[in-house]
Amino acid sequence: DTEVTQTPKHLVMGMTNKKSLKCEQHMGHRAMYWYKQKAKKPPELMFVYSYEKLSINESVPSRFSPECPNSSLLNLHLHALQPEDSALYLCASSRLLAGDSEQFFGPGTRLTVL
Amino acid sequence: GQSLEQPSEVTAVEGAIVQINCTYQTSGFYGLSWYQQHDGGAPTFLSYNALDGLEETGRFSSFLSRSDSYGYLLLQELQMKDSASYFCAVSRTDKLIFGTGTRLQVFP
Repeated sequence: DTEVTQTPKHLVMGMTNKKSLKCEQHMGHRAMYWYKQKAKKPPELMFVYSYEKLSINESVPSRFSPECPNSSLLNLHLHALQPEDSALYLCASSRLLAGDSEQFFGPGTRLTVL
Repeated sequence: GQSLEQPSEVTAVEGAIVQINCTYQTSGFYGLSWYQQHDGGAPTFLSYNALDGLEETGRFSSFLSRSDSYGYLLLQELQMKDSASYFCAVSRTDKLIFGTGTRLQVFP
C-alpha cells in the first residue's frame, strides 16, 4: 500500500462549527505533515509530526489543532475558522524526517468556510 | 531568507522539449526535488538531485548546480497529460521548502 488517504474530500463549514480532517497511511512512514494550499500557490507547511510527536508548528493559528493518535493516523481539528482559511488541505508522509527526499501526498480536503 | 523562484507559466506543443528553471537563495539543504501537480490533484514526486549533475528518469531529467544556486527540470517528448503545475523543493533536515511553481500548458 503506497497511498495516503484523506477524508473528507470536500468540507463546507460555518465559522462557528467544529470539524476534523483525517489522514491515514500504511507505509510505515514515521513523519507526517499538514499543508495548506491556495489556488495557484505552492503547498504551505503547517505542522510536522515525527515519531508521533509534533516537531514543527509553522506559527499556525490555534483554531487549527493537529493530533497524531498513532503512527498511521493524523488529524487536523478545526474550530472557529475564518473565510480566508478556505483552501486545499494536504496531508503527506515520508519514511523518515531527516533530509528525506520524497513525500507522499494525499488527495487533499477541499475546505470552504462560509 | 529562503526562496526558490520559478517562471510562473511555460507553454509548449506536443512532442517538444521544455525546461523549467528553479533558482534559489538558501543553503544547507540535502537536495533538490521536483513535484508535479495536476489541477485538483495531489503533488506527486518526480525526481531528486542530491548531488550536482543530471538525473534521468524516463522522459524527465533534473539538474542541480549548487555553485550556481540553480536547478531545472527537463521534460522531453511532451504529451498533453504533462499539462500540470511543477514545483521544485529543497530538502532540509525537517521539511521541504517549495518553489513558487510553474504552470505548464501543452498544446496539440
